[in-house]
Amino acid sequence: SYELTQPPSVSVSPGQTASITCSGDKLGDKYACWYQQKPGQSPVLVIYQDNQRPSGIPERFSGSNSGNTATLTISGTQAMDEADYYCQAWDTSTVVFGGGTKLTVL
Amino acid sequence: QLQLQESGPGLVKPSETLSLTCTVSGGSISSSTYYWGWIRQPPGKGLEWIGSIYYSGSTYYNPSLRIRVTVSVDTSKNQFSLKLSSVTAADTSVYYCARHVATSGYYDYWGQGTLVTVSS
Repeated sequence: SYELTQPPSVSVSPGQTASITCSGDKLGDKYACWYQQKPGQSPVLVIYQDNQRPSGIPERFSGSNSGNTATLTISGTQAMDEADYYCQAWDTSTVVFGGGTKLTVL
Repeated sequence: QLQLQESGPGLVKPSETLSLTCTVSGGSISSSTYYWGWIRQPPGKGLEWIGSIYYSGSTYYNPSLRIRVTVSVDTSKNQFSLKLSSVTAADTSVYYCARHVATSGYYDYWGQGTLVTVSS
């Protein structure tokens, strides 16, 4: 079965750039998306189709996907960005989530 | 504004069947652009896809849950449902319903989630 691998945790200082990776076999051949989840809340889509931002998502969120790795980049990270982030792909009618990355802003 | 709302028992006994319904408002479940899916999240853990359904009734299931899962749709009520049989404590999770964009595979709208505990 298809698997997506994320680092369990990433730390970043306020105002700096955070990068969260998601690895999977030939992931670049599929669409990747990213969700932000804060404690006690439902996931929120922050990037879809590799690099598209939904309405209402700040410009500091961006995405890329090539080869075996998709990357979520948060520029000028703010304290409010501290959350869990999940990547997800759609492979032969199967939805796959990465294990999630806890982003700490300190 | 599209809204999804999960409903169903919050407590299920081991070996029994978990049943949840998702009611969609603010949009039609019969749109050809979307699937409708169930995702769960055990306490303190990550997201796990359960299955998705098209308005026509076509379904896709997580292979690891396939033998226990049934997802169905009722277009007349704008609802879709989840049944998970033979539950154990490992099935204790927050269960989310969500709208799934068919062509690109992402979930753009989520319900608030409902905690289902499996315990005697």
